[in-house]
Amino acid sequence: EDQVTQSPEALRLQEGESSSLNCSYTVSGLRGLFWYRQDPGKGPEFLFTLYSAGEEKEKERLKATLTKKESFLHITAPKPEDSATYLCAVVGGAQKLVFGQGTRLTINP
Amino acid sequence: GAGVSQTPSNKVTEKGKYVELRCDPISGHTALYWYRQSLGQGPEFLIYFQGTGAADDSGLPNDRFFAVRPEGSVSTLKIQRTERGDSAVYLCASSLQGSGGYTFGSGTRLTVV
Repeated sequence: EDQVTQSPEALRLQEGESSSLNCSYTVSGLRGLFWYRQDPGKGPEFLFTLYSAGEEKEKERLKATLTKKESFLHITAPKPEDSATYLCAVVGGAQKLVFGQGTRLTINP
Repeated sequence: GAGVSQTPSNKVTEKGKYVELRCDPISGHTALYWYRQSLGQGPEFLIYFQGTGAADDSGLPNDRFFAVRPEGSVSTLKIQRTERGDSAVYLCASSLQGSGGYTFGSGTRLTVV
């Protein structure tokens, strides 16, 4: 059974304080690892897809990396508007997204 | 349409009543997914359609839950004899042939009182 575990559950940072969010996974035949951002009262918003170990993708202050067992979402010099819940999900042979429980990120000004 | 549309955005119903939740996917997307999200948790898979047929309904919690997609576009999630434990946000996503690029709607917040 495909499984995703995210840590920490919640993270508070000061504006400009860089950090990383972790996503550990087990999956049969990885077809993709996905990062989403979710704001309160809204659906998940797509950020990145990673397909193979060693792959990296960047968007503004966010950078996602992938190994065979985990993915990291690095946030550099965050701003208050980066506050959100960040969700990690994998797609394996079953062709459906399996999500972790998310990391609630709060950036204080 | 430009995005995935879900209606209603909020639904309050009494315990034991029947509800229908609607999802209008991105035009041309053949794959459609339903998820349920409880407060503080990640989305939990319910059912996946490829075209008109349910390719995987292993996430439906029991026989009170049913979903249809008769013309391969709009889908309806139906819940019979609602229980307070059914209260959650129900999310719909669509994808071009289930190959990635999953786009989510804003969800329907269901409250059973």
